[in-house]
Formats: sequence, structure tokens, C-alpha cells
Amino acid sequence: GENVEQHPSTLSVQEGDSAVIKCTYSDSASNYFPWYKQELGKGPQLIIDIRSNVGEKKDQRIAVTLNKTAKHFSLHITETQPEDSAVYFCAARDSGGYQKVTFGTGTKLQVIP
Amino acid sequence: DTGVSQDPRHKITKRGQNVTFRCDPISEHNRLYWYRQTLGQGPEFLTYFQNEAQLEKSRLLSDRFSAERPKGSFSTLEIQRTEQGDSAMYLCASRAGTGAYEQYFGPGTRLTVT
Repeated sequence: GENVEQHPSTLSVQEGDSAVIKCTYSDSASNYFPWYKQELGKGPQLIIDIRSNVGEKKDQRIAVTLNKTAKHFSLHITETQPEDSAVYFCAARDSGGYQKVTFGTGTKLQVIP
Repeated sequence: DTGVSQDPRHKITKRGQNVTFRCDPISEHNRLYWYRQTLGQGPEFLTYFQNEAQLEKSRLLSDRFSAERPKGSFSTLEIQRTEQGDSAMYLCASRAGTGAYEQYFGPGTRLTVT
């Protein structure tokens, strides 16, 4: 099955700086990579995703890049704000089965005002 | 709000008791997933429904766990003879039909087994 590794596990940045979270996946047939933001006591919220036929996708202050050859993808948050503080999970859709996703272990992002 | 809803949000039970959780997916989403999340970890897949059919189950889903989606709308997850190791957040997600990749999660049910 799919295996997703994520790093760093914790990340502290000053407000206004950029944050980058990196993930690798094992199944070269995976074709969909969502990113979720989870605040304390809440369910994961889909914030951006990318399909394997695209190398980069942006949505305002967040962007995701995908390198299929290297099997890694990254989340970039620019101009960070305190409300960006949360745990971020990357995930990859399994090529087999019924599109369940395998999650990374999460990155706790702290934006310091 | 037409997002995924889950009930209850919190459940405290004693070891050995049975518990049941409910998930109401986004209307017209015929795909439904259950995940389990323990502290400091990402969600782990438990089971998948397409309409009322349960099509995939994880090895994590022991015989004490059962899930149903009788009419292809809401789903229930039951845990029998709860153990302390069952303490976790149980998350439900739904997805629209073929061609839609996005899964939308509910707020989860936090289970504590004492």
C-alpha cells in the first residue's frame, strides 16, 4: 500500500514569513495529493489539492508543487498569519482500492506574531 | 450548513461497553469513508461505502467493529466491548461520485474509554 512521509513534524515561523512542508510518497501510480489543515478539536479541512497531471497549483497565499519523478510534493504558505497556526497533513490517494487516502504524520505549524 | 456532520462529538464510556457513532455525509455524496485518528497521528482508513455497499475494510477494523449505511445516506459505526486502545477520534468523510477526488471530513467523534 501507499506510504507517505512528512517533515518537519513541527515548524515555527515569524508572522509574515513563508512556511514549507514536504512530503514523499511510495506508490508511483498515485495521482491525487490533497493537503488538510486541522485545528484543535476539529476535523481535517481540505485546503488545496493537486492531481498528477499538474506540477504546481496556487490559491492565494498557499501553493502546492508536485515532482512525480522524485515522488515528492510540498506545501508553501506565504505571508503567514497567526490564524495559519494548525496541524497540516499531506496525503496521497491510493492507486488501488476505492480512492482512500493515506495521510502523513502531520506538521504542527506555529506562526509567532 | 451542508457539510458532513457527526454525532456525538464526544463520548466517554467504560471498558466493555458498546458505542455507536453516526455520520451524515454531504447530501448527494454517495461515497463515504470512516477513519480513525490517534493523538499526534494522521487519520487512518477504516472502511468505505459506495451507496449502501461496504466495499473495503481495513485490517484495523477488528471483528468488534461494524459499520453500516443502510439506505445509502447516513452511516453508523459501532464498537462492541470497547477497549482502552479504542480511544481515538473517529472521523467520517464523504465524496461525490466518479471523477470527484475530494474528500470532505466531518468534525469527528472523540471517544474516551476509561
